[in-house]
Amino acid sequence: GQSLEQPSEVTAVEGAIVQINCTYQTSGFYGLSWYQQHDGGAPTFLSYNALDGLEETGRFSSFLSRSDSYGYLLLQELQMKDSASYFCAVRDQVQAGTALIFGKGTTLSVSS
Amino acid sequence: EPEVTQTPSHQVTQMGQEVILRCVPISNHLYFYWYRQILGQKVEFLVSFYNNEISEKSEIFDDQFSVERPDGSNFTLKIRSTKLEDSAMYFCASGARGGNQPQHFGDGTRLSIL
Repeated sequence: GQSLEQPSEVTAVEGAIVQINCTYQTSGFYGLSWYQQHDGGAPTFLSYNALDGLEETGRFSSFLSRSDSYGYLLLQELQMKDSASYFCAVRDQVQAGTALIFGKGTTLSVSS
Repeated sequence: EPEVTQTPSHQVTQMGQEVILRCVPISNHLYFYWYRQILGQKVEFLVSFYNNEISEKSEIFDDQFSVERPDGSNFTLKIRSTKLEDSAMYFCASGARGGNQPQHFGDGTRLSIL
């Protein structure tokens, strides 16, 4: 089966840098995605890594190491509005389709 | 920016009743999904729909669930005989193509079963 592990909670202060790790177990692999969710609202796509290395999008970066089955989301220059839940996700391998299988999410709390 | 819209935002229903949750995906998208999120838990995949048929479904998506694309714009999830454990937030999502394309989620329908 597939499983994803990520920390349940992370706390940081404004202006800091925080890294949210995700380890996964899949029989095959089609890339790792990250989504942000504020207060149970719509999950919002942040980034996607199919190949090893770092992808940068503004203050957010995402890293993937396929050999380690590991990735992380890096948030820089933290702002209060970054307080949210962050989910890593992989594509469903069982049916080799496009559905996303999500981790349990990491709640990030940013304080002033 | 185009968005996925869902109605209603909140639905309260008696156990055993049927509910229909409605979604309007982004107009040029081809892949449609339903996910659910029980309060405080992770987002769980229910079903995906492509080319007017179900392409994948999870173990959660049993015979009480069905999906339909009745016209060119709407995408619905029907729960035939609701149970208490169906109480959750239901999210519709759409994607332009499969694979690594991002999925765009609606704001969800909070379903409360009494």
